[in-house]
Amino acid sequence: AQTVTQSQPEMSVQEAETVTLSCTYDTSESDYYLFWYKQPPSRQMILVIRQEAYKQQNATENRFSVNFQKAAKSFSLKISDSQLGDAAMYFCAYWVDSNYQLIWGAGTKLIIKP
Amino acid sequence: DSGVTQTPKHLITATGQRVTLRCSPRSGDLSVYWYQQSLDQGLQFLIHYYNGEERAKGNILERFSAQQFPDLHSELNLSSLELGDSALYFCASSQHPSYGYTFGSGTRLTVV
Repeated sequence: AQTVTQSQPEMSVQEAETVTLSCTYDTSESDYYLFWYKQPPSRQMILVIRQEAYKQQNATENRFSVNFQKAAKSFSLKISDSQLGDAAMYFCAYWVDSNYQLIWGAGTKLIIKP
Repeated sequence: DSGVTQTPKHLITATGQRVTLRCSPRSGDLSVYWYQQSLDQGLQFLIHYYNGEERAKGNILERFSAQQFPDLHSELNLSSLELGDSALYFCASSQHPSYGYTFGSGTRLTVV
């Protein structure tokens, strides 16, 4: 079965520090795409970062970067210099060609301590 | 503005009633996905349409139905509403899922 596991239901970090959210997935495909979405208290779903599995280089978007370990099927999100506005639910997801839609994790709630 | 428009933003209705949620996808996107999200829960996939045709169904109740029209907007119909149907209903669209989805701001449905 194709699944996404986010093992941390909740994480907290001090403002300005770095936090890493974990995500593992299960697929037998070799080509797929991975995503992190953010859902702040407004409940709007926002795409944070996207990674193509065939690319070795880890994706980066400003303070957000990923650690993509294909062999381990791991796709963690690192947030540097955490800000209060980063407080949100973070969802990991992936897509493979054999699916019509994204497969989603259950989410990790990130709390930022001032 | 994500480019995906959902109306209405809020809806309060009584048990047993029927409502229609509307979604206009981002320009150029042929796929529309509907999701249900209960309070502090993850996303539950309901249904996917591509260019007017149903492509996939998730855990969608028989009381729920959807369609996508020739102009690509989509409607989600919820009937015989129950208290447990209270949730945030998201519509998302994509040009191709490898690019990810663009989400609307959701319709918050409250059944009283």
